[in-house]
Amino acid sequence: RKEVEQDPGPFNVPEGATVAFNCTYSNSASQSFFWYRQDCRKEPKLLMSVYSSGNEDGRFTAQLNRASQYISLLIRDSKLSDSATYLCAVRITGNQFYFGTGTSLTVIP
Amino acid sequence: DAGVTQSPTHLIKTRGQQVTLRCSPKSGHDTVSWYQQALGQGPQFIFQYYEEEERQRGNFPDRFSGHQFPNYSSELNVNALLLGDSALYLCASSTPRGFQETQYFGPGTRLLVL
Repeated sequence: RKEVEQDPGPFNVPEGATVAFNCTYSNSASQSFFWYRQDCRKEPKLLMSVYSSGNEDGRFTAQLNRASQYISLLIRDSKLSDSATYLCAVRITGNQFYFGTGTSLTVIP
Repeated sequence: DAGVTQSPTHLIKTRGQQVTLRCSPKSGHDTVSWYQQALGQGPQFIFQYYEEEERQRGNFPDRFSGHQFPNYSSELNVNALLLGDSALYLCASSTPRGFQETQYFGPGTRLLVL
C-alpha cells in the first residue's frame, strides 16, 4: 500500500468555482503535511504546511483529519493561474517526505 | 535570498554511463534531500544529507550515491545508468526544525538515458 494516495484527476473547473482535493495517508505516525503546487516541467513549490487541524492562506484552505487519515485542499474562486498539479506530501518520522502522484487541475475560462 | 540551485538543467547520457548532478541549498539551509520524479509520478525520496553524512535513504539501489560538502552543497552520483533512470532529479533543502521541517525544491535536472 502506498504511503500517500491522491486522486490523479484531472479536475476541470470553470473560473470562480470552488474545488477540493483529498489526500489519504497510511501511517498514523505521520507528523506533518504539506501541499505543493507543480507547474508543467517545473519544480514543486510549497503552497501550504499543515501541522495541526488546518491552515488558511487567502483562497486556499488545507484541513487535516487525523482520525480518518486524510488532508484536503480547498481552492475558492478558482483563477486560470491555479491550473497546475497539486502534490500532497507527508513527513512520517525521521526525515523522509512521501509524496502522492499529484492531482491535475485545469481552470477553464 | 538565493534559492536552491541545481546544475546542469538538462543532461543526455547513454546506458552504462555515470552521471553527477549538483545542488546548492537555499541560504541558511544545511540539509539536502534528493528526489527522483518520473513522468506522471510524484517525487520519490532517494536520500538526505546532513552534516556531510547520509542521514536517511529511500528504496534506491547502491548505484545511487551522494556526497555533501562543508559548504552544504551536495552531489548525486548515478552509476551504470539504465533507461529507467530517465527522470527529473530534484534537490530539496531544509534545516532541521523537528516536525516543522519544510523542504524547498530546486529547478531540477532533467536526465535522459538513451
